[in-house]
Amino acid sequence: SQTIHQWPATLVQPVGSPLSLECTVEGTSNPNLYWYRQAAGRGLQLLFYSVGIGQISSEVPQNLSASRPQDRQFILSSKKLLLSDSGFYLCAWTIGEGQPQHFGDGTRLSIL
Amino acid sequence: GESVGLHLPTLSVQEGDNSIINCAYSNSASDYFIWYKQESGKGPQFIIDIRSNMDKRQGQRVTVLLNKTVKHLSLQIAATQPGDSAVYFCSWMDSSYKLIFGSGTRLLVRP
Repeated sequence: SQTIHQWPATLVQPVGSPLSLECTVEGTSNPNLYWYRQAAGRGLQLLFYSVGIGQISSEVPQNLSASRPQDRQFILSSKKLLLSDSGFYLCAWTIGEGQPQHFGDGTRLSIL
Repeated sequence: GESVGLHLPTLSVQEGDNSIINCAYSNSASDYFIWYKQESGKGPQFIIDIRSNMDKRQGQRVTVLLNKTVKHLSLQIAATQPGDSAVYFCSWMDSSYKLIFGSGTRLLVRP
């Protein structure tokens, strides 16, 4: 069966520090991958998605970037974190278009 | 993508009663809809989906109803249990196959 892993589960970082969040999927090949951010008590905002290695689409202009160095690995990065980058970051995968997305358990990022 | 940032409405039900969670979606061209359950500190969990060629679909203790005329989606949970307490999100797929999420409803189950 397919599983998705995100780490770390929680992270506290100072303003201006770099960021790297990792997401990996097991049990499937060539998934579509997604990064979302969720503010407290709110819905999900799509940040990036990828349909293949090295292919990244950005949904909103921001301080973050994404990369897909391997088929089942998706990384969310920042060179310099801002206070506004705080939130709950979720990775998701799907086997293809028109199919349900399945989410990891997220990383709670706090910026001090 | 579209993001919805509204205050979460709350539905409080007695354990054993049926729950109905409603959702209004915005894209009349959407043909695929998904309900997710999100427990505190976890990612959303797939519950049930429905495509636009259907108006009702049943799972285990859950039923999704779709009314495309008024762009309305509902999730019915039969015999609600304490473990059903969570935030529930409806979502719909846009023409680019991206999921748009509703604002969420918090379900509280009273013992």
